[in-house]
Amino acid sequence: QVELVESGGGEVQPGRPLRLSCAASGFTFSSYAMHWVRQAPGKGLEWVAAITYDGGATYYADSVKGRFTVTRDNSHHELHLQINSLRPEDAATYYCSRDFFRLDYWGRGTPVSVSS
Amino acid sequence: QSALTQPASVSGSPGQSITISCTGTSGDIGNYNYVSWFQQHPGNAPKVIIYDVINRPSGVSSRFSGSKSANTASLTISGLQADDEAVYYCSSYTTRRTWVFGGGTRLTVL
Repeated sequence: QVELVESGGGEVQPGRPLRLSCAASGFTFSSYAMHWVRQAPGKGLEWVAAITYDGGATYYADSVKGRFTVTRDNSHHELHLQINSLRPEDAATYYCSRDFFRLDYWGRGTPVSVSS
Repeated sequence: QSALTQPASVSGSPGQSITISCTGTSGDIGNYNYVSWFQQHPGNAPKVIIYDVINRPSGVSSRFSGSKSANTASLTISGLQADDEAVYYCSSYTTRRTWVFGGGTRLTVL
């Protein structure tokens, strides 16, 4: 069965970097585009970034462009999100999701808090 | 990127039907049939219940249905059940090659 497991979250100081990961299993990872979506505490969903099946193209929300970088390692079935210079407004649970248009499977998320 | 517009809350009694609207623009909903709906129970990850405007993933009840007219998509839940109480989000692909979500609608089953 399809499984997505996020990791790497935690409490980080403002201005520090953070790298999130998403381990995929149960499907042919290299055939699917992947997304990162975040949800601030008590708030709605916000799309963050996407990457095509081969990593050849990436897409970002305006709110994170230039600070976030999405990458993937198809040989290890992993998706990553590099966050540079964390801001208080980046505090959220970060989910990875599968499929370019459908976002049909989601992980349980990894929480990120920003505190000095 | 402006969020899609959803009502903040809707309610209905068991057995009734409700419809949640999701209004976008010609740059998103109006231009593509890539509208999805997600159900999120407290403490859980979102779960897709409708994709490509009208399609249900396997395992999702036929009580859930989707539609679209111009720049507005809709989710209808018929035969309301207690377990339908959740927050529902719509999303759409956009002409800017990004995705956008609605603000979410809290469904209360009375």
